[in-house]
Amino acid sequence: GAGVSQSPSNKVTEKGKDVELRCDPISGHTALYWYRQSLGQGLEFLIYFQGNSAPDKSGLPSDRFSAERTGGSVSTLTIQRTQQEDSAVYLCASSSQGFDTQYFGPGTRLTVL
Amino acid sequence: GNSVTQMEGPVTLSEEAFLTINCTYTATGYPSLFWYVQYPGEGLQLLLKATKADDKGSNKGFEATYRKETTSFHLEKGSVQVSDSAVYFCALRGNQGGKLIFGQGTELSVKP
Repeated sequence: GAGVSQSPSNKVTEKGKDVELRCDPISGHTALYWYRQSLGQGLEFLIYFQGNSAPDKSGLPSDRFSAERTGGSVSTLTIQRTQQEDSAVYLCASSSQGFDTQYFGPGTRLTVL
Repeated sequence: GNSVTQMEGPVTLSEEAFLTINCTYTATGYPSLFWYVQYPGEGLQLLLKATKADDKGSNKGFEATYRKETTSFHLEKGSVQVSDSAVYFCALRGNQGGKLIFGQGTELSVKP
């Protein structure tokens, strides 16, 4: 079956612009996660959704970062007023329940110039 | 807080050599432990997992045993292949929520 998909695969933006990253989880998966992979910080958790609610937002680095999930499916991660330190690969994962195996998407590579 | 520490890479081995990648963790309670692998140009894939002490996870010839007494989850393979060249991540999931906490990753390069 189809895995986790993310779009775009690559995004280049200018400092100060807003960007939206999209994640389509595996059909039927109720839990959805966002992570960030960067050279300096490794793999970091950002936010976790169970259905449409986010019981754990502890990894969002600043109030410029927000995420939502609608219909218990697609999620969007929004970064406002991007900074160069936001450059990273943003990974999305989903699982059938909150404590089940997480399956990762291919990631969106964000470059902020 | 919870954390994971992996041996630093890169690790370079010849084909058919024995592989060990060390992983230790700090956690409260009884976490679940994972190894994920990232092949060149591909996404993260689950390699194996263990959910309680003394469990052994295994897949594709790789093994790791959950050792609570030494807080370790070392990855081993008896005979590596060129196709095993990848970055390997150790991770834990605590009891409070589903988020994964990753080690810094270990790059493995296997030469023919």
